[in-house]
Amino acid sequence: ETGVTQSPTHLIKTRGQQVTLRCSSQSGHNTVSWYQQALGQGPQFIFQYYREEENGRGNFPPRFSGLQFPNYSSELNVNALELDDSALYLCASSLAATTGANVLTFGAGSRLTVL
Amino acid sequence: LAKTTQPISMDSYEGQEVNITCSHNNIATNDYITWYQQFPSQGPRFIIQGYKTKVTNEVASLFIPADRKSSTLSLPRVSLSDTAVYYCLVGDAPEYGNKLVFGAGTILRVKS
Repeated sequence: ETGVTQSPTHLIKTRGQQVTLRCSSQSGHNTVSWYQQALGQGPQFIFQYYREEENGRGNFPPRFSGLQFPNYSSELNVNALELDDSALYLCASSLAATTGANVLTFGAGSRLTVL
Repeated sequence: LAKTTQPISMDSYEGQEVNITCSHNNIATNDYITWYQQFPSQGPRFIIQGYKTKVTNEVASLFIPADRKSSTLSLPRVSLSDTAVYYCLVGDAPEYGNKLVFGAGTILRVKS
């Protein structure tokens, strides 16, 4: 079974630009979550997609948006980039469970640097 | 959302057993407790999950007391490769708007 793959692995943008990060879920998974991890901190929850709809969001402004496609892959879009957006962006997929917490499988992340 | 509290860091030596305790006083009835391990520049990796009492797998044990307000991750006979950040999370299924929230984690340093 394939794991979670993210692209690109590294990218550099300038303030004000827009970025799209991509994630392919692990085979058999139907839920995707995105996290932002600044250096030295724990991952911060951005949002989660289940059945192609956002069903949970953390404390991130609307310029952070996403999509989940019918094949359960996902995109994270960030508009009007700011310097503080520099971070490792992690995608995690899971299989929604009817009971219990879903177990997240993470990708290796996309390292975004905003200059 | 149930908030978790863990020690910031711990030091150990190779071959020792390491116990990392997580406090989650506001855990909800439907919440499960999950632990993840993260190495630098990698995504977190699932270690173990439990609801109550004790759970054991090939890499760790998870002890949860009856009141479920805390949990302890036990790593038997650690090696240098166990040096990583360990996160404790509590949460439930996506149908309930699950938002798994990571805390700052515990930095475990294993020395030779």
